[in-house]
Amino acid sequence: AQSVSQHNHHVILSEAASLELGCNYSYGGTVNLFWYVQYPGQHLQLLLKYFSGDPLVKGIKGFEAEFIKSKFSFNLRKPSVQWSDTAEYFCAVNAGSSNTGKLIFGQGTTLQVKP
Amino acid sequence: DAGVIQSPRHEVTEMGQEVTLRCKPISGHDYLFWYRQTMMRGLELLIYFNNNVPIDDSGMPEDRFSAKMPNASFSTLKIQPSEPRDSAVYFCASRFRRYYGYTFGSGTRLTVV
Repeated sequence: AQSVSQHNHHVILSEAASLELGCNYSYGGTVNLFWYVQYPGQHLQLLLKYFSGDPLVKGIKGFEAEFIKSKFSFNLRKPSVQWSDTAEYFCAVNAGSSNTGKLIFGQGTTLQVKP
Repeated sequence: DAGVIQSPRHEVTEMGQEVTLRCKPISGHDYLFWYRQTMMRGLELLIYFNNNVPIDDSGMPEDRFSAKMPNASFSTLKIQPSEPRDSAVYFCASRFRRYYGYTFGSGTRLTVV
């Protein structure tokens, strides 16, 4: 069965520090990969997505992610975090045919940025 | 576009009562998903529809849960009877088949006391 694993459950950083959140998935075929962010008390919003092509994907708010197929990874990065980045971050995968439909989420990583 | 609209935003009910959650997907989207979010289990896919037809309901926890999509613009998730362990935030999401991004609604926070 497909699964998504996020290594860091809770990350605490100071403003201006660099961020990298790990994400690994288990599926050997074609995948579509996503990172979502959930600010406190709000719904999930799409940060970025990877379908094909350049494995380095740039998203909103200065976030980027790199797809490394050999490592089944899709890590999220940001060079310099801000207090407003405090949120929960979810990695998700939609595996197989584009019409499969199911989006499987990781357990999430809570990011706390100290001002 | 108003996005995915869910109602109510908050629901507090007593154990044993019937609860109905509602969702209006984005117009033109042909997939609709119901997710449940809890601290213990994270985000769980309960059921999803394609063109109003339920495709996969393997995530529905038990027979107390049912979901319908009578038309392309409306879906309901019903819990009858409700139990305290059903307390969670329930999200609805929709997507268009040729666009792989999912748009989530604001969620319904359900508390069963």
